[in-house]
Order: sequence, then structure tokens, then C-alpha cells
Amino acid sequence: AQSVTQLGSHVSVSEGALVLLRCNYSSSVPPYLFWYVQYPNQGLQLLLKYTSAATLVKGINGFEAEFKKSETSFHLTKPSAHMSDAAEYFCAVVQTSGSRLTFGEGTQLTVNP
Amino acid sequence: DAGITQSPRYKITETGRQVTLMCHQTWSHSYMFWYRQDLGHGLRLIYYSAAADITDKGEVPDGYVVSRSKTENFPLTLESATRSQTSVYFCASSESGETNYGYTFGSGTRLTVV
Repeated sequence: AQSVTQLGSHVSVSEGALVLLRCNYSSSVPPYLFWYVQYPNQGLQLLLKYTSAATLVKGINGFEAEFKKSETSFHLTKPSAHMSDAAEYFCAVVQTSGSRLTFGEGTQLTVNP
Repeated sequence: DAGITQSPRYKITETGRQVTLMCHQTWSHSYMFWYRQDLGHGLRLIYYSAAADITDKGEVPDGYVVSRSKTENFPLTLESATRSQTSVYFCASSESGETNYGYTFGSGTRLTVV
């Protein structure tokens, strides 16, 4: 079964610093990969998705992610963190059967002033 | 306002009681999903539905029942609530079986079983 592993349940950065949230996937075939963001007391919102069209994917709010098949990774980055980026971020992969997403355990991002 | 709405937002119930969480979407999306979110587990799929009258189990279906008599509604019922079902429940919908459309999530229902 396909799965994703998010490295680091908590990441803390200073405002203006680089944001790097790590996600590794396991899949026997090229997967579809997603990053979602969850702000406090809200549902999940799609940040970006990889569907094999391009390895570097740009999303909303200045985030981007690069699909690296050799490393089975799909890390999320943002050059300069903003206070409003503080949230929980989930990496997800689609299962081979049906259209069901499997989520990682999430990474809580804290942005310090 | 169009979108996907869940009700109630918060619910406290007693062990052994039946509880139904509601989910309504206004897009006529074919696919609908129920997830639970627990610390250390991320989101886990409970049940999903590909269309009206078609439902299937996800990763953690035990203790839950779903129905989908109409495309826009996908209620989740806990037949006899247990403390282990204390969680935040999210409903989601998707336009098609092609996952590149992504999912749209509701705001969640926080359920506490005492």
C-alpha cells in the first residue's frame, strides 16, 4: 500500500527564514502527491499537487514542492516564512485503487517573530 | 453559501449513545469521504462514497455506519459511541474519481464521548 512519512511532527522557524517540511512516499508506481494546510479550527485546504506534469510544483501562498523520484521525496518549501504560515501541514498520496488519499501524520509549523 | 458544511461543529455525547454527524455539499460532487483526525495519526479514512447508494469502507470503519441516499448528503452515524471515538471528524468531497481534482474539506466536527 502507498504511504507517506512526514519527518518531524514540529518545525519551528523565524519569520523570514526558509521553510522546509519533509515528506517521503512509498509507492511502486508513480504516485499523485499533495500538500494540504490546516489552520486552527478549520478544515484542510489544498496547497499544491503533483500529478506527473512537472516535477517542481508551485502552490498558493508562495509554497512550492519538488518531486524527486530518486529520493522518493516531495518536500514542501517556502523561501521566507510569514507569521500567517503557522499551521499544520499534511502530505498525502493517492492509493492505487480508487481515489482515496492517504495522509501523513502532519507537521506543525511554528513561526517565531 | 456554496460549499461543504458539517454539523454540528461541536458535540458531546455519552458512551453508548447513537450519534449522527451531518455532511452536505452543494457542488454535486460524486465522491464524498469521512476522515477522523487524531493526534499522532493524521487523518484516517473511515468510509467513502463514489455516488449515491454506493459506499465502501476505509481504513477504520468499525463502529461507524454511513448512507448516501442523495448525492449532496453523506451522514456518518456512530451506532454506540465509545470513548475511543472522541476525535475531530472531517467530511470531504471530490468532483470525480480522478484524484488530481483534489478534495474539498468541511470545517470539521469535534466529537467528545464521555
